[in-house]
Amino acid sequence: DGGITQSPKYLFRKEGQNVTLSCEQNLNHDAMYWYRQDPGQGLRLIYYSQIVNDFQKGDIAEGYSVSREKKESFPLTVTSAQKNPTAFYLCASSSAVSSYEQYFGPGTRLTVT
Amino acid sequence: QQQVKQSPQSLIVQKGGISIINCAYENTAFDYFPWYQQFPGKGPALLIAIRPDVSEKKEGRFTISFNKSAKQFSLHIMDSQPGDSATYFCAASIGGTYKYIFGTGTRLKVLA
Repeated sequence: DGGITQSPKYLFRKEGQNVTLSCEQNLNHDAMYWYRQDPGQGLRLIYYSQIVNDFQKGDIAEGYSVSREKKESFPLTVTSAQKNPTAFYLCASSSAVSSYEQYFGPGTRLTVT
Repeated sequence: QQQVKQSPQSLIVQKGGISIINCAYENTAFDYFPWYQQFPGKGPALLIAIRPDVSEKKEGRFTISFNKSAKQFSLHIMDSQPGDSATYFCAASIGGTYKYIFGTGTRLKVLA
């Protein structure tokens, strides 16, 4: 059953703590993305990776970090430097051949208090 | 120039009616325009997409109309059903950049 999994679905952290969100895909897609979604706003790109061991900053990368050590995995770390981390985080992937079509995971809702 | 403006913010339609959501863009380099459907607490799902060399694309009850000269595109949901109640996002992409620019979303409610 191919798809994108994100875990956990809900995550709670205290302010000042780093937290890592998981994203795994078994679609054999080369490209992976992290978006942030806030109420009343569209999805905003945090980071993206086109190939293993390479990634680029998106529009709102400050306070976030990523790694891409395996094709299937693209974890996102929300650091304590992120001023407003509470949000819905979405991971997506696309194949290099038809990179236009991005497929999303179910999301992780992070709450920082 | 990188914005995609989406309207309306919310929409209420009677069952069986036509839902219309509009998006406008400035950057003529955009060459792919997808629409996503998102239910509460879920990730967006690709609904339908169009490229600028086509003026209309239909898939079942969903149609994209594209006006290249006006730099506008719209989603039409025919015979709207309560199950269509969701938030819809338009997006635009420049080929080879792997980046989408999303609209702010339209919350659709279809009344039974």
